[in-house]
Amino acid sequence: GQQVMQIPQYQHVQEGEDFTTYCNSSTTLSNIQWYKQRPGGHPVFLIQLVKSGEVKKQKRLTFQFGEAKKNSSLHITATQTTDVGTYFCAGLSGTYKYIFGTGTRLKVLA
Amino acid sequence: GAGVSQSPSNKVTEKGKDVELRCDPISGHTALYWYRQSLGQGLEFLIYFQGNSAPDKSGLPSDRFSAERTGGSVSTLTIQRTQQEDSAVYLCASGAWYNQPQHFGDGTRLSIL
Repeated sequence: GQQVMQIPQYQHVQEGEDFTTYCNSSTTLSNIQWYKQRPGGHPVFLIQLVKSGEVKKQKRLTFQFGEAKKNSSLHITATQTTDVGTYFCAGLSGTYKYIFGTGTRLKVLA
Repeated sequence: GAGVSQSPSNKVTEKGKDVELRCDPISGHTALYWYRQSLGQGLEFLIYFQGNSAPDKSGLPSDRFSAERTGGSVSTLTIQRTQQEDSAVYLCASGAWYNQPQHFGDGTRLSIL
């Protein structure tokens, strides 16, 4: 069945360092969504990518969708303590079902 | 409403009992999802509703799990004869359509003793 792998599983960075999480699907995706979940909270929508090769930016966050629409990445520039949480990608592949990645847990050390 | 509302927020019950979890989606949202999240894990898809119909029930773990949605709004997830492995946070999300952003509720934390 369809799988969405996400790496790394954990990442500890010093405040001010950059951070990147990668998402890889076994099948071509119609779109991909990214969510952030703070400890004890629920996932919060960040962005959706639809087009092949699409790049979107939100302040310090840069999101990319691969040319083959099977992979995506989230890059955070100059992390802050407010960036702490788990980042999930969720891929939609031809059905109504979103397959969530395993998540990357980010810790930022002040 | 302002957001997705789920109730109860916490539920502790004994093994073998039935439980019913409720989700009030954002008004006007056609798409509704149920997910399950175990401690420190990702989200496991359970079921999707488009309006009142459920074209995709493929994620329901067993026939002890069922869900319905009435009036294109409120949804309930029912687990019969609960088992300890059912312990998890059950999250509901709604969206304007299936390919639109999902808005999550705070979840129901279910603990089976």
